Amino acid sequence: GAVVSQHPSRVICKSGTSVKIECRSLDFQATTMFWYRQFPKQSLMLMATSNEGSKATYEQGVEKDKFLINHASLTLSTLTVTSAHPEDSSFYICSARPGAENTEAFFGQGTRLTVV
Amino acid sequence: DAKTTQPTSMDCAEGRAANLPCNHSTISGNEYVYWYRQIHSQGPQYIIHGLKNNETNEMASLIITEDRKSSTLILPHATLRDTAVYYCIVRARNTGTASKLTFGTGTRLQVTL
Repeated sequence: GAVVSQHPSRVICKSGTSVKIECRSLDFQATTMFWYRQFPKQSLMLMATSNEGSKATYEQGVEKDKFLINHASLTLSTLTVTSAHPEDSSFYICSARPGAENTEAFFGQGTRLTVV
Repeated sequence: DAKTTQPTSMDCAEGRAANLPCNHSTISGNEYVYWYRQIHSQGPQYIIHGLKNNETNEMASLIITEDRKSSTLILPHATLRDTAVYYCIVRARNTGTASKLTFGTGTRLQVTL
């Protein structure tokens, strides 16, 4: 199956700093990628839809100036958590779908962010 | 996309079949049923999907009722490695690569010795 890779898998940063998470589609092109966030013992919540060559679409309640998304190529989307605070500590997951109709979505392995 | 309802948790003995139910009574004719699972601290993994016919692959079988208002994911011989949260999701077809998946709370399956 298709492969979506995230980097880093785990990161610890100090409060007030920014952290960049990369999401790559390794064997297919993805004009659209999705970013999710998951808090402990909760389900995945969609944060934003990343569109290649255009602005991301954010879900209600997600601050676009805090979670910067860049989708500069057909195989790479990045999520930057700016001025991170302890409440931003979470599991961040990206996904992409290689085809159009009815094909399954593939997910990255996730990035565990801890802000201290 | 239609809402789904799943039991919060289930247990299954290793080697036995695990049958995970999902209710999607408001599903519309153009919506598929997808199943994903998430093993602890990993990204979700695709399992199977179907429209109205039963489906089988190397991981599982999907049984969809004739009225399509519910479905059951069957893991024929559960192993400890199948312990995970299983998500049942319905998604409309013909929506392209930009269509998003909406996750519910899923069923936490615990496979025991």
